[in-house]
Amino acid sequence: NAGVTQTPKFQVLKTGQSMTLQCAQDMNHNSMYWYRQDPGMGLRLIYYSASEGTTDKGEVPNGYNVSRLNKREFSLRLESAAPSQTSVYFCASSEGQPMEQYFGPGTRLTVT
Amino acid sequence: GNSVTQMEGPVTLSEEAFLTINCTYTATGYPSLFWYVQYPGEGLQLLLKATKADDKGSNKGFEATYRKETTSFHLEKGSVQVSDSAVYFCALMRGSNYQLIWGAGTKLIIKP
Repeated sequence: NAGVTQTPKFQVLKTGQSMTLQCAQDMNHNSMYWYRQDPGMGLRLIYYSASEGTTDKGEVPNGYNVSRLNKREFSLRLESAAPSQTSVYFCASSEGQPMEQYFGPGTRLTVT
Repeated sequence: GNSVTQMEGPVTLSEEAFLTINCTYTATGYPSLFWYVQYPGEGLQLLLKATKADDKGSNKGFEATYRKETTSFHLEKGSVQVSDSAVYFCALMRGSNYQLIWGAGTKLIIKP
């Protein structure tokens, strides 16, 4: 039981490049989330998926797209990376009430 | 709107000292309240939670009481250890919109 896994752990991109962050969970959770964490700002929700086949915008969705590929996997895509997207990205999943969320180890992304 | 305010860090204490990390919130109704902990290089994990007024959440020697009258959920521990060094996040969830509202986090440093 690996919980929530994320790949890659680290990534450096040049401005304008694209990439996809992968997330998978093996807890059979319905809901999944993508957050970014910036110093002094806590976590900000980018997108979430309440259940397979649905996605919704969070607080800071601009510049990102998501795909809920199946119940296990939820990917985050940066189509044209910008330095403002330099951050640590966390994927999380949850089930039940209240929504205890389980987090992956994070992806540290640097855009130069 | 909903918001969470935490005391700024870092908080530096000696081993066996008493810990308080303040958290206050703004929300209508009766949100659920959470403390998450992030150890260095890891994702966040749930530390404790409370779902209604006067509830006390507890785990690993940490406690927090949901105070509706003061809109607070302060985290306390009677005797901290070096292994408690981490970043602590207070968060609230209201309703069923699957979103957590996060505080900025408080870094705790425990010196031997």
